[in-house]
Amino acid sequence: EAQVTQNPRYLITVTGKKLTVTCSQNMNHEYMSWYRQDPGLGLRQIYYSMNVEVTDKGDVPEGYKVSRKEKRNFPLILESPSPNQTSLYFCASSLRSSGIFRRDEQFFGPGTRLTVL
Amino acid sequence: QKEVEQDPGPLSVPEGAIVSLNCTYSNSAFQYFMWYRQYSRKGPELLMYTYSSGNKEDGRFTAQVDKSSKYISLFIRDSQPSDSATYLCAGEYNFNKFYFGSGTKLNVKP
Repeated sequence: EAQVTQNPRYLITVTGKKLTVTCSQNMNHEYMSWYRQDPGLGLRQIYYSMNVEVTDKGDVPEGYKVSRKEKRNFPLILESPSPNQTSLYFCASSLRSSGIFRRDEQFFGPGTRLTVL
Repeated sequence: QKEVEQDPGPLSVPEGAIVSLNCTYSNSAFQYFMWYRQYSRKGPELLMYTYSSGNKEDGRFTAQVDKSSKYISLFIRDSQPSDSATYLCAGEYNFNKFYFGSGTKLNVKP
């Protein structure tokens, strides 16, 4: 079954304690992306990756890091979480075929609800 | 100003009604426009996408883009209770950057 998995699904932590949210896809997709979803603000793109070792900033990258060492995994790292990073986080992956971004094959993970106290 | 604006609703309609969901956007560089459906406690799922201006139909769903007025629409015909969800519109440019509206919550009453 084609899917994007995220772990953990729920996390409560304290300010300043480094954490990593993992994202994995089993579809051999080149493009992966992280979003945060906040009430009234919708989804906002944090970082994206075009392929292994190729990452770039989205709209709200401050306070986040990512890495793409393997095609299937795209972890989101919060080095020093703060309360304003309390949010619902989604990972997404998409296929690129012959350099063209396949917009009809795009999947989101189930979400990670993060609370930073 | 947000790149994509969307009325949050909620929008409540009887089963069988035609639903019209709308967004406006400000970024003229957007090339692709998408609609997503998000059920409660789930991730968004891509419903439809269109390139530039024009219409695209898929079953009961029709997506419409008017670039001259920077207006995006999704029409749902013969709406069903299973269509009850939050609908997100999005614009994309540079093949990598996505900007989403805040979502419209739709409730279709049996």
